[in-house]
Amino acid sequence: QSVLTQPPSVSGAPGQRVTISCTGSSSNIGAGYDVHWYQQVPGPAPKLLIYRNNNRASGVPGRFSGSKSGTSASLAITGLQVEDEADYYCQSFDTNLRTWVFGGGTKLTVL
Amino acid sequence: QVQLQMSGPGLVKPSETLSLTCIVSGDSISGYYWSWIRQPPGKGLEWIGCIYYSGSTDYNPSLRSRVTISVDMSKKQFSLRLTSVTAADTALYYCAGGAPYSGSPFDYWGQGTLVTVSS
Repeated sequence: QSVLTQPPSVSGAPGQRVTISCTGSSSNIGAGYDVHWYQQVPGPAPKLLIYRNNNRASGVPGRFSGSKSGTSASLAITGLQVEDEADYYCQSFDTNLRTWVFGGGTKLTVL
Repeated sequence: QVQLQMSGPGLVKPSETLSLTCIVSGDSISGYYWSWIRQPPGKGLEWIGCIYYSGSTDYNPSLRSRVTISVDMSKKQFSLRLTSVTAADTALYYCAGGAPYSGSPFDYWGQGTLVTVSS
């Protein structure tokens, strides 16, 4: 069971907007640690998408955005494209466990 | 641009030691935290541990008793040793690098190595 909780799957049609939630606790996101997001398509390693809550990594389209509030964070994707179909992971740090922690991952299906 | 190249066996016998190496190119090995992350088949990501160029380490408590991460500055590489492996250690293993602070993002990733524990 992951320290950070994500929905197992989300879906949307091309052009639509989807959001993926990442829920933590007072010992990680709520403690002020940043949240980062990764995109993993089958095969390659995960790719950093959003860092420090709301900053797009180099080369990431403006359709991707991140936010954080309290003990949760969200990744939003607008104008969905077929190539966005992938697994998405959130990541933070847990001060009690003293470890980098990940969410369980969310599979995005573009219908 | 930092690049990470992994090497190591893809098959390890139960109770033996898993060893992987990650070579850093494109930048100095100092100034980053270097981590190992794994992903069991069909599952999510798990942080194993990290090392700074100075040699200081931090490990996931769930694996601490079996993990050693080391760095070789002269060869610009860092390594993972996981002892007493079982089938539960079968996973895609990644090396990764990021800024040297707790909770930093993993900016750079190796290509991944599938390690299967089986006799």
